[in-house]
Amino acid sequence: SQQGEEDPQALSIQEGENATMNCSYKTSINNLQWYRQNSGRGLVHLILIRSNEREKHSGRLRVTLDTSKKSSSLLITASRAADTASYFCATPYVISYGKLTFGQGTILTVHP
Amino acid sequence: EPEVTQTPSHQVTQMGQEVILRCVPISNHLYFYWYRQILGQKVEFLVSFYNNEISEKSEIFDDQFSVERPDGSNFTLKIRSTKLEDSAMYFCASRGRLRDSYEQYFGPGTRLTVT
Repeated sequence: SQQGEEDPQALSIQEGENATMNCSYKTSINNLQWYRQNSGRGLVHLILIRSNEREKHSGRLRVTLDTSKKSSSLLITASRAADTASYFCATPYVISYGKLTFGQGTILTVHP
Repeated sequence: EPEVTQTPSHQVTQMGQEVILRCVPISNHLYFYWYRQILGQKVEFLVSFYNNEISEKSEIFDDQFSVERPDGSNFTLKIRSTKLEDSAMYFCASRGRLRDSYEQYFGPGTRLTVT
């Protein structure tokens, strides 16, 4: 399997706090993507970071990538109740038509 | 904003029956995918489709599964003879024209229940 584990498996915080989720992977990548899934719904693409980037920001999201450790983190700042969802990292196989391998995900609960 | 749509949202079928899940990808996208997610498990890749043919498939995608893009807009997944273990959420996704546009856009999913 290309994908390692995400941690934590579940995270419960209060509104306004920051949430950090981590993801590890096993093989070489050219990019890593984070997706969000609200309960029982489809996946929404959040952010993509390329292998030659170390950090990327989008609104309240900050993603880091450490290719030497084969790990990435997603930070959501000033969380809101609406951020409650499952968060997945996904890596495309380098030699492929882009199929994604997903981790188990982190279930984030933000309490109002 | 363009989006991927899927129909039906929920399909209940009996074991052994054929089902067709339908997807309308974003119109100028070139790469199409089906994934599935069994309740409580990871999202798993099934198949990718490019240039009117299957480009990759997983070991889950056996002879019972087939995909088609019959009319240039719809993208369908057919399961010929459903099994109980096919019960899952099935997601269609599409990806843009550019070779280096890697983001995939997912539909809301079809929940398939096999009884």
